[in-house]
Amino acid sequence: NAGVTQTPKFRILKIGQSMTLQCAQDMNHNYMYWYRQDPGMGLKLIYYSVGAGITDKGEVPNGYNVSRSTTEDFPLRLELAAPSQTSVYFCASRRRGVDEQYFGPGTRLTVT
Amino acid sequence: AQSVSQHNHHVILSEAASLELGCNYSYGGTVNLFWYVQYPGQHLQLLLKYFSGDPLVKGIKGFEAEFIKSKFSFNLRKPSVQWSDTAEYFCAVNHGTSGTYKYIFGTGTRLKVLA
Repeated sequence: NAGVTQTPKFRILKIGQSMTLQCAQDMNHNYMYWYRQDPGMGLKLIYYSVGAGITDKGEVPNGYNVSRSTTEDFPLRLELAAPSQTSVYFCASRRRGVDEQYFGPGTRLTVT
Repeated sequence: AQSVSQHNHHVILSEAASLELGCNYSYGGTVNLFWYVQYPGQHLQLLLKYFSGDPLVKGIKGFEAEFIKSKFSFNLRKPSVQWSDTAEYFCAVNHGTSGTYKYIFGTGTRLKVLA
């Protein structure tokens, strides 16, 4: 299994541009998550999904959108990039029930 | 609001020193507790987890953690650290007997081990 994969690894955006961060998992996990990690702030949940077609907001959803058309994929969309969205973004997945999350390698995004 | 506190933001130790990283959470019900580690340039990996049973749990690479319900704590320990333990450590909580969707992470503790 490849586990959780994320693309791209790095990206620089100009203010106002849009982009989609890709996340895929091949473990048939129901739950998927998007976090952002800022220095000294830990991980903040942006959006999560409990299955295909079902998504919900986390702590910091403003400026982002998600979709979950398949079990495997959970892309995160930034519509109008702002400097405040400069961060490292992690995707994670887990099985149904009580279990740990499996994380992807992250995407480092800079908005200038 | 539920929260997870990691009071040590930066820790510097020499090799062979003992380690204890604090983690406190604010939730009175059933909790599931995790410690994750992030080595430089890598993604988060699970170190250990507690769901129920023996409050002293052992994880990978010689780490252990003790769940003390009365203190709302889940401190991470290692008797003798190595240079390769240099990393950032995150405590996380998920509550409920069947698990809820959301996890709450602490702000992390950055550990540097001097050779």
